[in-house]
Amino acid sequence: GQNIDQPTEMTATEGAIVQINCTYQTSGFNGLFWYQQHAGEAPTFLSYNVLDGLEEKGRFSSFLSRSKGYSYLLLKELQMKDSASYLCAVRDGDYKLSFGAGTTVTVRA
Amino acid sequence: DVKVTQSSRYLVKRTGEKVFLECVQDMDHENMFWYRQDPGLGLRLIYFSYDVKMKEKGDIPEGYSVSREKKERFSLILESASTNQTSMYLCASSLLGSSAGGIDTQYFGPGTRLTVL
Repeated sequence: GQNIDQPTEMTATEGAIVQINCTYQTSGFNGLFWYQQHAGEAPTFLSYNVLDGLEEKGRFSSFLSRSKGYSYLLLKELQMKDSASYLCAVRDGDYKLSFGAGTTVTVRA
Repeated sequence: DVKVTQSSRYLVKRTGEKVFLECVQDMDHENMFWYRQDPGLGLRLIYFSYDVKMKEKGDIPEGYSVSREKKERFSLILESASTNQTSMYLCASSLLGSSAGGIDTQYFGPGTRLTVL
């Protein structure tokens, strides 16, 4: 089966940096996704990694190490609107995503 | 922008009822997915479809069936609802499989919160 682990909760201060780690053990690997989900809303796509290294997109960056089965999402210059759940998902074939349970990030003033 | 819509935001049904959840996407996507989302468990794939009339079981298909008669519409059916099917149900779509190249991210609908009494 697929096993994707991420912390349940994280709290940080406005303007700070937070790093959300994700480790995975899956039967195959064809890319890793990060989604953001605000309470009561649909998940929305944040970032995608398929090769090792860092992908930067404005205040958000995502890193992948395939040999270690590890990724992280880095949120810089935190804003109150970044309070949300962040979902790590691994694609192991053409279509299917397997999700972690999600990390709830709370940003405090 | 991709738009994925689901027929209801909230639904309350009784044990044993047959329940239909509808999902429509407007971007001519080939693939459609049904997930359920429960606290502490994340999103779990119930069924997906990569073409009209085609379906594949996901990780937790028991107690569910699906129908895809038209490309834009993917229905999830609970044949006989039970209390353990109380959950948030999310539909998603993607353009093509990853073998066609590109990221092929999934786009999600707003969800249907189903309560079975």
